[in-house]
Amino acid sequence: DVKVTQSSRYLVKRTGEKVFLECVQDMDHENMFWYRQDPGLGLRLIYFSYDVKMKEKGDIPEGYSVSREKKERFSLILESASTNQTSMYLCASRTIGGLAITDTQYFGPGTRLTVL
Amino acid sequence: DQQVKQNSPSLSVQEGRISILNCDYTNSMFDYFLWYKKYPAEGPTFLISISSIKDKNEDGRFTVFLNKSAKHLSLHIVPSQPGDSAVYFCAASASGNQFYFGTGTSLTVIP
Repeated sequence: DVKVTQSSRYLVKRTGEKVFLECVQDMDHENMFWYRQDPGLGLRLIYFSYDVKMKEKGDIPEGYSVSREKKERFSLILESASTNQTSMYLCASRTIGGLAITDTQYFGPGTRLTVL
Repeated sequence: DQQVKQNSPSLSVQEGRISILNCDYTNSMFDYFLWYKKYPAEGPTFLISISSIKDKNEDGRFTVFLNKSAKHLSLHIVPSQPGDSAVYFCAASASGNQFYFGTGTSLTVIP
């Protein structure tokens, strides 16, 4: 059974703190993604990684960075947390499959981050 | 700018009836479309997909229809069951790269 795990389900941090969100997948997937989900805005892509040590900016990378040192792990870093980064953060992974009809992303359960 | 739109934030349907969830997109380069289902406190799970070479894909109670000329896709659930109550996201991609998600439609199936 495929599995994507995220280090915390709920997290409360203070403004200005450095925050690390960890994501691990056990499916040997090449691609990994970080999204944030906000009411009325859906899922928006922050960063993604095609493979180890590779990263690409998504639609809203400002205020975030990522790290992918190992294939199974993709970390999202908030360099200096701000209140507008309060959100649900979702990690996903996907194998390289081109346009295969079963090509899809597998999501973790999410981390609800509150920045005070 | 939102490239994938779900204009109905919520939908209520009686158990046993058909649920129709709609999704519109603006990018004509999109060639692969998916629907995800999300329960509270869980990540989205893949439901059904369709590539642009088809106009219909069916999987049990779930059918996705694609109208490329109108840049519109819809998800039909027949018959609807209370366990189908969830938020549904449509997503699209061009050549399997970045996925663009809609804002979601919250479906409530009333017993």
